[in-house]
Amino acid sequence: SQQGEEDPQALSIQEGENATMNCSYKTSINNLQWYRQNSGRGLVHLILIRSNEREKHSGRLRVTLDTSKKSSSLLITASRAADTASYFCATASDTGRRALTFGSGTRLQVQP
Amino acid sequence: DTGVSQNPRHKITKRGQNVTFRCDPISEHNRLYWYRQTLGQGPEFLTYFQNEAQLEKSRLLSDRFSAERPKGSFSTLEIQRTEQGDSAMYLCASSFRHTEAFFGQGTRLTVV
Repeated sequence: SQQGEEDPQALSIQEGENATMNCSYKTSINNLQWYRQNSGRGLVHLILIRSNEREKHSGRLRVTLDTSKKSSSLLITASRAADTASYFCATASDTGRRALTFGSGTRLQVQP
Repeated sequence: DTGVSQNPRHKITKRGQNVTFRCDPISEHNRLYWYRQTLGQGPEFLTYFQNEAQLEKSRLLSDRFSAERPKGSFSTLEIQRTEQGDSAMYLCASSFRHTEAFFGQGTRLTVV
């Protein structure tokens, strides 16, 4: 079953705008990760945030984590057409299952 | 190329035939995962190895599916008596402990 659920399911923006995607999850986690997937390709790891961290940056990416609300957000600033892809959050439980559990993803379209 | 390698990239098979996929993880990674992904959905967990031990299997993994990781190196996923519902992208990933997982490009299976 899917643990992380992304919101929105689809997002269309203009180049240069910021894109924000949200992820909610259900169980206690060790860490939460964001991945990107271009159509028909494998997943590329973007950023990992641990349960004791609240915010993390990597280039144009900013991830926040609120464990009290069991939610995370991914912000892509100054988007580019090349950012067009599907974005998934994945959680690593701190008990039980040790594999990542993925949400259903946000499909981002950046119009040039 | 030191990333996760999956072979073949594409497989077309007739219903009822058996298929086997191979995954070569990043060499120092002790964890290996198999996921299945259908169009528009996030990856669904199938099974997980730590070294050579298969520690977890999803209920999605029916008795027609079997996975092995001899000697804790490469892994194979076999599907027996394939059905049209098995058509999907099969993704392999590896990681070291509870860190980010690196994915291969996947094997796209089409059952006709």
